[in-house]
Amino acid sequence: DAMVIQNPRYQVTQFGKPVTLSCSQTLNHNVMYWYQQKSSQAPKLLFHYYDKDFNNEADTPDNFQSRRPNTSFCFLDIRSPGLGDAAMYLCATGRETRANRNEQFFGPGTRLTVL
Amino acid sequence: AQSVAQPEDQVNVAEGNPLTVKCTYSVSGNPYLFWYVQYPNRGLQFLLKYITGDNLVKGSYGFEAEFNKSQTSFHLKKPSALVSDSALYFCAVRPGDSNYQLIWGAGTKLIIKP
Repeated sequence: DAMVIQNPRYQVTQFGKPVTLSCSQTLNHNVMYWYQQKSSQAPKLLFHYYDKDFNNEADTPDNFQSRRPNTSFCFLDIRSPGLGDAAMYLCATGRETRANRNEQFFGPGTRLTVL
Repeated sequence: AQSVAQPEDQVNVAEGNPLTVKCTYSVSGNPYLFWYVQYPNRGLQFLLKYITGDNLVKGSYGFEAEFNKSQTSFHLKKPSALVSDSALYFCAVRPGDSNYQLIWGAGTKLIIKP
């Protein structure tokens, strides 16, 4: 089945130690998103790739970076995790054009713990 | 400012009764409207959407939602609730302006009691 895969499902890191979360998709969608979600709150968009174009949200800290080496993969890098970065990180994909916006498909998420 | 409101933090319904989860919005242009469901420690699952056309849209798991333009609402409904419907529900709206991403409601926890 076509899907959005996130690895690992659970990640534990130490304060200040860089961490990378990965997302892959078999849907061949052109847009990929990274969200941060804390304790049953609404997801907060960090950034997204529209094809190869990177779009950063204005309030996303510089500590968060992303890479999309090809259509299928997208990575979230947290350069120096703080305790406040502990959260669920959700990857989502969408098939979109400028004129047509569709639903997003979410991966299962990676729960990040910062010690 | 553009916003989406889910006025109820939690909704409690007895199994077999109809359920409604409310969503209202204030956005520019003709919006795209979505409902997502999230089970514990899982990602979000798409339930249904309204883009254009018939105001009543049907989605997964027997859910439906009605778009009301005059009341700027998009309430989620189901005629007969199941215990397995217990989850966190999010309404999300995309303003008609193509520069905007999804605006999310705060979520409503739905509890279905046997």
